[in-house]
Amino acid sequence: KAGVTQTPRYLIKTRGQQVTLSCSPISGHRSVSWYQQTPGQGLQFLFEYFSETQRNKGNFPGRFSGRQFSNSRSEMNVSTLELGDSALYLCASRGMDGQGNTGELFFGEGSRLTVL
Amino acid sequence: KQEVTQIPAALSVPEGENLVLNCSFTDSAIYNLQWFRQDPGKGLTSLLLIQSSQREQTSGRLNASLDKSSGRSTLYIAASQPGDSATYLCAVGGLNFNKFYFGSGTKLNVKP
Repeated sequence: KAGVTQTPRYLIKTRGQQVTLSCSPISGHRSVSWYQQTPGQGLQFLFEYFSETQRNKGNFPGRFSGRQFSNSRSEMNVSTLELGDSALYLCASRGMDGQGNTGELFFGEGSRLTVL
Repeated sequence: KQEVTQIPAALSVPEGENLVLNCSFTDSAIYNLQWFRQDPGKGLTSLLLIQSSQREQTSGRLNASLDKSSGRSTLYIAASQPGDSATYLCAVGGLNFNKFYFGSGTKLNVKP
């Protein structure tokens, strides 16, 4: 069973540009969540999608957005990049309880974004 | 709001030692608790998941316990090895289990 796949793994952008990151969850998982990880702030929750609907959102500015497609794949977009957006962006998928799953979170390897 | 604390922030031990990592949380109304391992620059690898109705889970040399009433979980690593060196994070799933709250992690170094 394939794990969570994130693309691209590494990318470099300049301030003011925008970036789109992609996440393919484990087959059968309908919940996808996104996290930002930086040395100073640790892991911070961005948002969570389930069946194409955003169910939860963290405390990030509107420059951070996401969506989920009917096949459960998700994308997140950051517009007008700032230096402080440099981080490891992690995606996690989860099988929902009551569907034969435990609710366990599984993470991808992340997308390392560097903003110059 | 749920707050998750992990102590110590860093730990260095000689190979072969048994060790305990701690995770505490402020709101005992949780759905589950999960321990992860993270190697530098990598994603998080799930180690153990404990449902709120369980007291402990075991996998190989790892044993995780959960005491909801005191808001604590421990991860016990037996006979540590240099390959165990990594950052260990705990995550608490809220009753609105769409949200997970992460601790800042314990960075473990096991010396040969």
